[in-house]
Amino acid sequence: KNEVEQSPQNLTAQEGEFITINCSYSVGISALHWLQQHPGGGIVSLFMLSSGKKKHGRLIATINIQEKHSSLHITASHPRDSAVYICAVRSREGDKLIFGTGTRLQVFP
Amino acid sequence: DSGVTQTPKHLITATGQRVTLRCSPRSGDLSVYWYQQSLDQGLQFLIQYYNGEERAKGNILERFSAQQFPDLHSELNLSSLELGDSALYFCASSVLSGTLQETQYFGPGTRLLVL
Repeated sequence: KNEVEQSPQNLTAQEGEFITINCSYSVGISALHWLQQHPGGGIVSLFMLSSGKKKHGRLIATINIQEKHSSLHITASHPRDSAVYICAVRSREGDKLIFGTGTRLQVFP
Repeated sequence: DSGVTQTPKHLITATGQRVTLRCSPRSGDLSVYWYQQSLDQGLQFLIQYYNGEERAKGNILERFSAQQFPDLHSELNLSSLELGDSALYFCASSVLSGTLQETQYFGPGTRLLVL
């Protein structure tokens, strides 16, 4: 079993829909990252959080440390949101980043 | 543009060869991270340097080595290359050591193809 699990693996949505991507982890962490990888390959860090909730524009990330779970929400989705969304945790043991396998999102107009 | 630069963008080489990938962090960032992204393994953390010293180590093979120079640029050396080393190699940088809530800024990556 992977230490970081994401669901779903693939997601298709119509423009305007509310999107939720989930991430569960099994190790002790100091922080959790959400990354976005565009079709061209470039990676952008969206959020880093260790508790609670963060919001940036149409994106919201939450984390529940007790349940070892995080969610990334996209409100009013748009075709330009089409990308792979990757969850990564910074483990307390060894202080290294462990990545989920990503969620491929396609938003159609 | 993240401010992190990587060279070369593409590299094609043969099995058994040795290559060097270069990364320049954002101005003022002290940490450099190296990641490998292959089709079958996804993104994997290789190694982190902070202000010239190795800070954290991930799934880095013994055939691979890295260093961070006094001007804070970093190089990842890959030797005795195998077909399975073909991947996208990303470098990222952050202001401090990464244990605080710091954003990592990713470079555009170097695409390595081993034939």
